[in-house]
Amino acid sequence: DAGVIQSPRHEVTEMGQEVTLRCKPISGHDYLFWYRQTMMRGLELLIYFNNNVPIDDSGMPEDRFSAKMPNASFSTLKIQPSEPRDSAVYFCASFSWPEAFFGQGTRLTVV
Amino acid sequence: GDSVTQMEGPVTLSEEAFLTINCTYTATGYPSLFWYVQYPGEGLQLLLKATKADDKGSNKGFEATYRKETTSFHLEKGSVQVSDSAVYFCALYNGGKLIFGQGTELSVKP
Repeated sequence: DAGVIQSPRHEVTEMGQEVTLRCKPISGHDYLFWYRQTMMRGLELLIYFNNNVPIDDSGMPEDRFSAKMPNASFSTLKIQPSEPRDSAVYFCASFSWPEAFFGQGTRLTVV
Repeated sequence: GDSVTQMEGPVTLSEEAFLTINCTYTATGYPSLFWYVQYPGEGLQLLLKATKADDKGSNKGFEATYRKETTSFHLEKGSVQVSDSAVYFCALYNGGKLIFGQGTELSVKP
């Protein structure tokens, strides 16, 4: 398996634009997590799925953020409209007990 | 809700020095505890784990013991190397949720 694949690796967008981040988890893993990493706030859990079903989205900062997992091999995190304070590295992690496997992250810059 | 608190960094040590990074947690029930490591430009990787009280996780010379009485899981290494320079994250897994601490940056100088 190629591991967790995130795309794009880097995204620069203008304030107000829609941004979609993508994640392909490891086949057979039943949990998928989305995190946001910033210097100020560290690694924040945004939302997680179990068997493609969203379980807890209490970490999603605002209604501008949404996430979906239409099938076991694909998930998206969407920000609409984007704002400069959304600039961060976004990670997705695929989990099968007892280990989480992280993608390399998407570095988002909103100007 | 559940949470993890780590000592603030950065931590700067000389090669072969002893390392301790403190981690405490708050959780209901019986969480499993982890240390992950992040090298520059990469995602996090599992370093070690402990699934119940008094368990000791170990890997690559790093150790941490699950102390339920003090709700702690401190990371230790007897002799650090330059190659250990990275950001270290303490984490807990409880009821399907995986939560991380803020991360502690370690810099080891030759």
